[in-house]
Amino acid sequence: DQQVKQNSPSLSVQEGRISILNCDYTNSMFDYFLWYKKYPAEGPTFLISISSIKDKNEDGRFTVFLNKSAKHLSLHIVPSQPGDSAVYFCAALSNYQLIWGAGTKLIIKP
Amino acid sequence: DVKVTQSSRYLVKRTGEKVFLECVQDMDHENMFWYRQDPGLGLRLIYFSYDVKMKEKGDIPEGYSVSREKKERFSLILESASTNQTSMYLCASSLSDRENYGYTFGSGTRLTVV
Repeated sequence: DQQVKQNSPSLSVQEGRISILNCDYTNSMFDYFLWYKKYPAEGPTFLISISSIKDKNEDGRFTVFLNKSAKHLSLHIVPSQPGDSAVYFCAALSNYQLIWGAGTKLIIKP
Repeated sequence: DVKVTQSSRYLVKRTGEKVFLECVQDMDHENMFWYRQDPGLGLRLIYFSYDVKMKEKGDIPEGYSVSREKKERFSLILESASTNQTSMYLCASSLSDRENYGYTFGSGTRLTVV
């Protein structure tokens, strides 16, 4: 049973517009969430995180929103740039292990 | 900057061969992990280790074993490679400090079993 779900396998966005990637989780005990970005033939790299005591965390063009009541988080990228084309993984921390979503492939169109 | 180094970027092996994938990290991280990534399946945990000589099975340990003789090195072993083990293998390490938690990944090894 998937505890972290990314229901959109892919997303296509025009360059300069906002990209919104979504993630849902089932375990209300999760209290720390991370987003990773992965290019082909490379390992994932850390992007941004959020603790459950917050509902928003911002870092430059990237903002993560957490809605605990809905068990939902989202990553906003604005403005989207060609270099943002990658697979994005959402993960939740549980007992020092990360529980991963299946990933969303983001394609930024010129 | 934490570095996680995987010994090979690309590897081609024959069915039945014993395969060793090596991973070394240089920042004294306690935790190390081996994942495989397949299209549409995300990252699946094979094995992990919280300390030297300690190992725990992940979600898909069948057909694999691991070794952690030193803190900085975590090896993944395919005892008898099969074509369904063709995949991207990713090693990661992390601290146990929750305030600074996050995985650092290696660049991955693309293994093809023929």
